Amino acid sequence: GEDVEQSLFLSVREGDSSVINCTYTDSSSTYLYWYKQEPGAGLQLLTYIFSNMDMKQDQRLTVLLNKKDKHLSLRIADTQTGDSAIYFCAVRAAGNKLTFGGGTRVLVKP
Amino acid sequence: EAGVVQSPRYKIIEKKQPVAFWCNPISGHNTLYWYLQNLGQGPELLIRYENEEAVDDSQLPKDRFSAERLKGVDSTLKIQPAELGDSAVYLCASSSRAGGSYEQYFGPGTRLTVT
Repeated sequence: GEDVEQSLFLSVREGDSSVINCTYTDSSSTYLYWYKQEPGAGLQLLTYIFSNMDMKQDQRLTVLLNKKDKHLSLRIADTQTGDSAIYFCAVRAAGNKLTFGGGTRVLVKP
Repeated sequence: EAGVVQSPRYKIIEKKQPVAFWCNPISGHNTLYWYLQNLGQGPELLIRYENEEAVDDSQLPKDRFSAERLKGVDSTLKIQPAELGDSAVYLCASSSRAGGSYEQYFGPGTRLTVT
């Protein structure tokens, strides 16, 4: 089945850019998503990208997709303290099944 | 527009007791999902409904877990009897086919503690 991997932790200074990386195994993946989870809350959909695209920009968020390397990244520009959270990438393959990575905890330091 | 509603938000029970979680999806969303999220991990799918039909329950431990979505709207997930290892957050999500991107929208979850 699909395997989705993320690094565990990222520390960044306020105002800098954050880059969160994700790798996956299933080349037939169609949609790839980024979710944000704050303490005690559910997952909030941030953005997604279709597999025929290699980049998508949405305000401070930029998603890059390298299908050849099966690598997805999320860049957050001008990172704020409110961006501190756990970020999950999720990959949708056949059958509408979503497979999540283990999450990357982002800590923004003032 | 109201989001996905789940109740209760927190539940503490003793092992071997039964427990039930309730979910009301976003209005008009025909697909409903139940996920299990263990501490420090991503969500894992337990069951997916298309309207009232369970179309993927391969990851649901059927010896103790059951779910229903009788009228194709809200849903209940039950555990009987609960075990210590069931302590986790149970997330409900919903999606619609509109637009084709199938974005899933999540509720706040029910945090279960089994003692």
